[in-house]
Amino acid sequence: GAGVSQSPSNKVTEKGKDVELRCDPISGHTALYWYRQSLGQGLEFLIYFQGNSAPDKSGLPSDRFSAERTGGSVSTLTIQRTQQEDSAVYLCASSVTGTGSIYEQYFGPGTRLTVT
Amino acid sequence: GNSVTQMEGPVTLSEEAFLTINCTYTATGYPSLFWYVQYPGEGLQLLLKATKADDKGSNKGFEATYRKETTSFHLEKGSVQVSDSAVYFCALYTGGFKTIFGAGTRLFVKA
Repeated sequence: GAGVSQSPSNKVTEKGKDVELRCDPISGHTALYWYRQSLGQGLEFLIYFQGNSAPDKSGLPSDRFSAERTGGSVSTLTIQRTQQEDSAVYLCASSVTGTGSIYEQYFGPGTRLTVT
Repeated sequence: GNSVTQMEGPVTLSEEAFLTINCTYTATGYPSLFWYVQYPGEGLQLLLKATKADDKGSNKGFEATYRKETTSFHLEKGSVQVSDSAVYFCALYTGGFKTIFGAGTRLFVKA
C-alpha cells in the first residue's frame, strides 16, 4: 500500500522567501507529526495533529512556522521569511492513533530545504 | 526531563563484523523503547521495540534488550552486511503522544 509521501523532495530558496512543504499521510491514520532533522542532530519535534483536535504546536521554533491539516488528511508546513538556520530535512510521520497506546510512526522520505 | 543518548558515529565495520550501538535513556515512569532505521534517501522505519524491562526486541538479525537497571537499550547484530549501512535512531515513549529520538548513529559497512 501507499506510504507517507512528501513534496517536494528538495527545495532551494532564497533567504526571506516563504516555503510550503506538503505531507500526505497514510489513509486512515489520525495522527500526523512534523519533525526537523538538522545535520548531526536528532529529530526535533515541531507539531502534532490528532483527528479534529487542536494541534499541539509546542515544538514550533518561532512564529514564522505554521502548519495546517485539511480534512484530517493532507498537511502543509509553512515557513515564512526563511532564514539560513531553517535549512534542514523536514520529516512527516503518521500513525494510527496518538495518545494512550504504544504505536508505530510511519515516516515519509522528507523534504530537504536549503536556504541560500 | 526525558532524553536519549546514543554513541556518536560514524561507525565503520567490515562485513560479517559484530555490531553494537549504545543507547542510554533518562525517563520518568516506565517508557517503551524503540530502534528506528533510516536507509539512504528514505524515511525512518521501525526496526524493533520493547515495552517493559527485560523485554528483548528483535528483527532482521538485530536485537536490543530493555535494561532498566542500567537504563540502556543497546542495539546488536552478530554479523552485519553492506545492506545494513544506514542511520540508526534510539527512541523512547513515555505516554501522551511525543516520542523522544536520539541524535542517530550512522553505520557504514564495507565489503
